[in-house]
Amino acid sequence: DQQVKQNSPSLSVQEGRISILNCDYTNSMFDYFLWYKKYPAEGPTFLISISSIKDKNEDGRFTVFLNKSAKHLSLHIVPSQPGDSAVYFCAASAWQGGKLIFGQGTELSVKP
Amino acid sequence: KAGVTQTPRYLIKTRGQQVTLSCSPISGHRSVSWYQQTPGQGLQFLFEYFSETQRNKGNFPGRFSGRQFSNSRSEMNVSTLELGDSALYLCASSLAVSGETQYFGPGTRLLVL
Repeated sequence: DQQVKQNSPSLSVQEGRISILNCDYTNSMFDYFLWYKKYPAEGPTFLISISSIKDKNEDGRFTVFLNKSAKHLSLHIVPSQPGDSAVYFCAASAWQGGKLIFGQGTELSVKP
Repeated sequence: KAGVTQTPRYLIKTRGQQVTLSCSPISGHRSVSWYQQTPGQGLQFLFEYFSETQRNKGNFPGRFSGRQFSNSRSEMNVSTLELGDSALYLCASSLAVSGETQYFGPGTRLLVL
């Protein structure tokens, strides 16, 4: 039972355009959501998070949107840069916070 | 502040052996969580320790165990290694307050032959 799903295994975007990565979840107990960026053989790097009491959070080029009724969140990267090319994971946790449930990841390729 | 550190970074073992991996959290962080990443299963939660007590546990067999010391450093142990235990093992630390972000270390790459 996959509680967090990223249905697109890969995404290719032109440099300067917007990248939109999507994530769906099934567990209504999740109240904290995060996006991580990961390179092969390295640990995930935290990008941005959002609490369930909000529907949007921005940090520079990164914006996360949360639609609780649809159990859907998305990460927008504007403008996309070649250095953004990596695998992006969304993750969710319930109130205890210590256990993150990860999606399967989306590999983003930003072409110059 | 120094980030999460994990040792060793790479390890090769044979089936049946046991292995111990170490994790030092970010200074001030009291919660340490462990994850396994494999190509087939993705990133999966192993367990979380807080104040030297296991607070959460994932769906892994009893061969996987861990502990946390009074300085918040943590170790995980895998006994009777199997080929399928080959993976990247990641440690993450957080302040342990609800809604706090987990920060990951670089991982330990374990290869079981």
